[in-house]
Amino acid sequence: SYELTQPPSVSVSPGQSASITCSGDNLGGKYVSWYQQKAGQSPVVVIFQDDMRPSGIPERMSGSNSGNTATLTISGTQPMDEADYYCQTWDRNTVIFGGGTKLTVL
Amino acid sequence: EVQLVESGGGLVKPGGSLRLSCAASGFSFGKTWMSWVRQAPGKGLEWVGLIKSDTDGGTTDYGALVKGRFSISRDDSRDTLHLHMNSLKTEDTAIYYCATVHVFSLNFWGQGTLLTVSS
Repeated sequence: SYELTQPPSVSVSPGQSASITCSGDNLGGKYVSWYQQKAGQSPVVVIFQDDMRPSGIPERMSGSNSGNTATLTISGTQPMDEADYYCQTWDRNTVIFGGGTKLTVL
Repeated sequence: EVQLVESGGGLVKPGGSLRLSCAASGFSFGKTWMSWVRQAPGKGLEWVGLIKSDTDGGTTDYGALVKGRFSISRDDSRDTLHLHMNSLKTEDTAIYYCATVHVFSLNFWGQGTLLTVSS
C-alpha cells in the first residue's frame, strides 16, 4: 500500500522559515494537500493541489511537489503556526495521510 | 457558511455497533463527496472512507483497517452523512471527523465526535 513519510518534528525560530517534507513513491505525479491541526482543534487545509492556498490562509504558507517529495514552507514563521501538519494524497480512490509533523516555534 | 456537525459518539463495548451522523449545511450536500477520518488519542489522522455523490455513482471506498466492518451512507434529503460501525474493537477508539471532499482535498471538517470502545 502507498505510504507517505514525514519527519516527526521540526523546530524553527520565530521569523525564520520552516520546511516540512512529505515523501512518497513518485509523489510528484499526484496531488498533495497539507493540513494544519492546532491542539484540541479540527484539521484545516492550508494547501491543496500541491501549491494552492484556500482563501483565508496567509501567504506565508506555500507548497511544492516534485519527484518523490512534497514540501510545505512557512515563511516568517509566527508562534501561532505551532501545530501538527499532515500531508495527504490519493492512491486508487483511497486517501492517504502522512504520519504528521509537530512544528515547534521556539 | 459551511457547517458539519457530527453526533452519535459514546462508549461501546467491544464487538458492539454504533452509527455516527454528520449534519451538513451551507453547501450543496447532494453534489459533494464526503469522507470520514478518525484520530486515535495522541495519534495522527487515519482515513476511514468516503462516499461519492449520487451523480458520480454514490459508490464508497474504505480504509484497510475498517473495510468489511464499517459502511458509509448518505441521506441527501436530510443533508446527512452516516457511518455505520460493526464489530467494534478497542483500537477503533478515536475522534471521528466528517469532511467534504473537493479538488482532491478534504476542505471542510466538522468538530468531531468521540467514540470509546471499552469493556
